[in-house]
Amino acid sequence: KAGVTQTPRYLIKTRGQQVTLSCSPISGHRSVSWYQQTPGQGLQFLFEYFSETQRNKGNFPGRFSGRQFSNSRSEMNVSTLELGDSALYLCASSLGETGEATEAFFGQGTRLTVV
Amino acid sequence: GESVGLHLPTLSVQEGDNSIINCAYSNSASDYFIWYKQESGKGPQFIIDIRSNMDKRQGQRVTVLLNKTVKHLSLQIAATQPGDSAVYFCAESSESGATNKLIFGTGTLLAVQP
Repeated sequence: KAGVTQTPRYLIKTRGQQVTLSCSPISGHRSVSWYQQTPGQGLQFLFEYFSETQRNKGNFPGRFSGRQFSNSRSEMNVSTLELGDSALYLCASSLGETGEATEAFFGQGTRLTVV
Repeated sequence: GESVGLHLPTLSVQEGDNSIINCAYSNSASDYFIWYKQESGKGPQFIIDIRSNMDKRQGQRVTVLLNKTVKHLSLQIAATQPGDSAVYFCAESSESGATNKLIFGTGTLLAVQP
């Protein structure tokens, strides 16, 4: 069974630009969560999608958004990039069925550098 | 200016010894906990999980202990190997119902000396 796939692996963008990152979850998994990892703040939850709906959201500005497609693939978008958005963006996949939290498996991440 | 990076606690052990990595969690309502291992340049790798109705769970060479009274979680690695060198994170799920929002600890760097 293939793992969680994130594309691209590396990105360099200029301040003010926007960026879209992609995540394909494990087959059969319907929940996709996004996290930002930086040396200063560690791993922080951005949002979670389940069945094409945002189910939970972290404390990030509205410049960070996401969506999920009917095949469970998810994208996250960051608009008007700032230098502080430079980070490793991680996607986690889980079954996501209602009732209780379950094992979440991470992709390799997308390393975004804003210059 | 630049933000200061998180200072990762470091655990240094000899190859073959047992390792114990500790984690204090914040929310007494948390009902699900996961340990992850992250190697340089890679995403976190699932190691083992435990629910709040248990106080111990064992995997292959790993054991997780949960003490809800003092909100403490530990990961024990038996016969530590050089390949175990990585940063280890505990994560808690603190929202009831249908969610997979994880709150991560700051991490512990495990350095295995050959």
